[in-house]
Amino acid sequence: QKEVEQNSGPLSVPEGAIASLNCTYSDRVSQSFFWYRQYSGKSPELIMSIYSNGDKEDGRFTAQLNKASQYVSLLIRDSQPSDSATYLCAGKGVQAGTALIFGKGTTLSVSS
Amino acid sequence: GAGVSQSPSNKVTEKGKDVELRCDPISGHTALYWYRQSLGQGLEFLIYFQGNSAPDKSGLPSDRFSAERTGGSVSTLTIQRTQQEDSAVYLCASSLGSLETQYFGPGTRLLVL
Repeated sequence: QKEVEQNSGPLSVPEGAIASLNCTYSDRVSQSFFWYRQYSGKSPELIMSIYSNGDKEDGRFTAQLNKASQYVSLLIRDSQPSDSATYLCAGKGVQAGTALIFGKGTTLSVSS
Repeated sequence: GAGVSQSPSNKVTEKGKDVELRCDPISGHTALYWYRQSLGQGLEFLIYFQGNSAPDKSGLPSDRFSAERTGGSVSTLTIQRTQQEDSAVYLCASSLGSLETQYFGPGTRLLVL
């Protein structure tokens, strides 16, 4: 199993819908997780971090962490065309200190 | 305040040449990271500096790659005898401490012909 896995997509949703982005991780990833958004040709920017089991909400974004299932997700409510980007899931690696281990990203396309 | 800056923004070089990429972290950030992102791939960790500690070089793909961080601030990533497979975007990130959020620079797009 890769350390952090994401479905590459593309995930297509209509404007106003809920977009659900999923990520699974291996034992080589620690319990701190981050969702970054990356627009084409730009560098990643942090959307949310989550450290504890359960849900964490910030505006239209909700991150969910399930440590037993080694699963983390990001929900985007009321999706907007401006949300169209690649979403990178990252976790802190156990052996590599605090360097982040990134998934390959899921491309989200929100149509108006 | 100013974010992470990187230079050059783009670099085209010939196979076999050496290149140096520079990163200026956010002022006061003690941790600095280098990542590489190839087309269609995720971010690949290269090296990590934390304060005065020995860097974590576990991600460097070969001995052609090296990095240093002078005075706990600016970092330079050097690639010797570049190969075409080195073509990628090289991203630098910094954080206030080792457990804090990482902020990314705009990246250097390297093309090796």
